[in-house]
Amino acid sequence: DAGVIQSPRHEVTEMGQEVTLRCKPISGHNSLFWYRQTMMRGLELLIYFNNNVPIDDSGMPEDRFSAKMPNASFSTLKIQPSEPRDSAVYFCASNLGDRGLLGELFFGEGSRLTVL
Amino acid sequence: RKEVEQDPGPFNVPEGATVAFNCTYSNSASQSFFWYRQDCRKEPKLLMSVYSSGNEDGRFTAQLNRASQYISLLIRDSKLSDSATYLCVVYLYNQGGKLIFGQGTELSVKP
Repeated sequence: DAGVIQSPRHEVTEMGQEVTLRCKPISGHNSLFWYRQTMMRGLELLIYFNNNVPIDDSGMPEDRFSAKMPNASFSTLKIQPSEPRDSAVYFCASNLGDRGLLGELFFGEGSRLTVL
Repeated sequence: RKEVEQDPGPFNVPEGATVAFNCTYSNSASQSFFWYRQDCRKEPKLLMSVYSSGNEDGRFTAQLNRASQYISLLIRDSKLSDSATYLCVVYLYNQGGKLIFGQGTELSVKP
């Protein structure tokens, strides 16, 4: 079975450019999470969705960040304009919500972003 | 104060040693608890759930102390393959299913 699929795996861009990260959750999963991981701050929850609806976006660092989930099989995380401090690994994860083990998240392989 | 706190380590231990990690959480309404494992430059993966009565999975034992708001993970007879970062995770049911990760504790098992 396909796991969570993220793209791109690696992106190097220049400050001020728009960055779009994409995620395809596991089919049938109804919760989707975006996390950011850095050495300094660890794994931070940015936003999560239940049934395509954003539930909590309090972790989104600032207005430059936005996330959408137009349907059950696709989500995007956009940064515009990007800054060097946005450099991190961005993980997307999904799970069955309250239909499965509540804490079991299935992560994608991550998108490693470098902003120069 | 962070919602979930862990000693970042690194813990450097010889093969066969027993090692314990602790994790504290600040939200007393936290519902469920888990340990994840993350290998270098890989995604985190669920290691085990943590039950109130404590639970064991082979060489791994997880404990929960709700009164003191801490969780522990004990690894017995450590193997080289146990080298990884161990992440403590708290599930907040009253916040719509929010999962908060600790910063992780790095373990390095040496021959």
